[in-house]
Amino acid sequence: RKEVEQDPGPFNVPEGATVAFNCTYSNSASQSFFWYRQDCRKEPKLLMSVYSSGNEDGRFTAQLNRASQYISLLIRDSKLSDSATYLCAVNNDAGNMLTFGGGTRLMVKP
Amino acid sequence: SQTIHQWPATLVQPVGSPLSLECTVEGTSNPNLYWYRQAAGRGLQLLFYSVGIGQISSEVPQNLSASRPQDRQFILSSKKLLLSDSGFYLCAWSVSQLYGYTFGSGTRLTVV
Repeated sequence: RKEVEQDPGPFNVPEGATVAFNCTYSNSASQSFFWYRQDCRKEPKLLMSVYSSGNEDGRFTAQLNRASQYISLLIRDSKLSDSATYLCAVNNDAGNMLTFGGGTRLMVKP
Repeated sequence: SQTIHQWPATLVQPVGSPLSLECTVEGTSNPNLYWYRQAAGRGLQLLFYSVGIGQISSEVPQNLSASRPQDRQFILSSKKLLLSDSGFYLCAWSVSQLYGYTFGSGTRLTVV
């Protein structure tokens, strides 16, 4: 089993739709969780951290489910500009490195 | 504010040629530094990380090496490139896992 797994997609959704991605992780000792956004041929950029209590930033909501060992990202009212690949990242046992999932590609259509 | 610089942005090199990619960080001290590679349509593969000057840990055995001659400088090298070394090379820094990584803009390497 991979340490961090994501559905590669693509998720094709119309503008205005709500879409959710999950990311499962295998290390139950992980403490830090993040979502990154990567545009085509660009570097990943931090979208948001994922806190135990969940967190929201505008149209984006991130949640952590420790019992089932997954994090989620919910995007409401999708925009064309949300089209990108979304990577989740989880820290390792020692806490000094992040392991990235393979990414989920989102395509928002007019 | 902290910034990370990575160059060159694009590189085309023949098989068997040497490689040197440089990454520098500004505005922070003693960062953790990382080199990742992303093959076309694939995820991020950690190549090397460093927690201090001269301290390098390798995650994947290959014909690449890394060095950290200064606190905020991280260099990725190869003596002889292989076709399989083609990819998007990303440098990243962090000071705490609480805040995640910040990536440089990357170098797209094509070995021909």
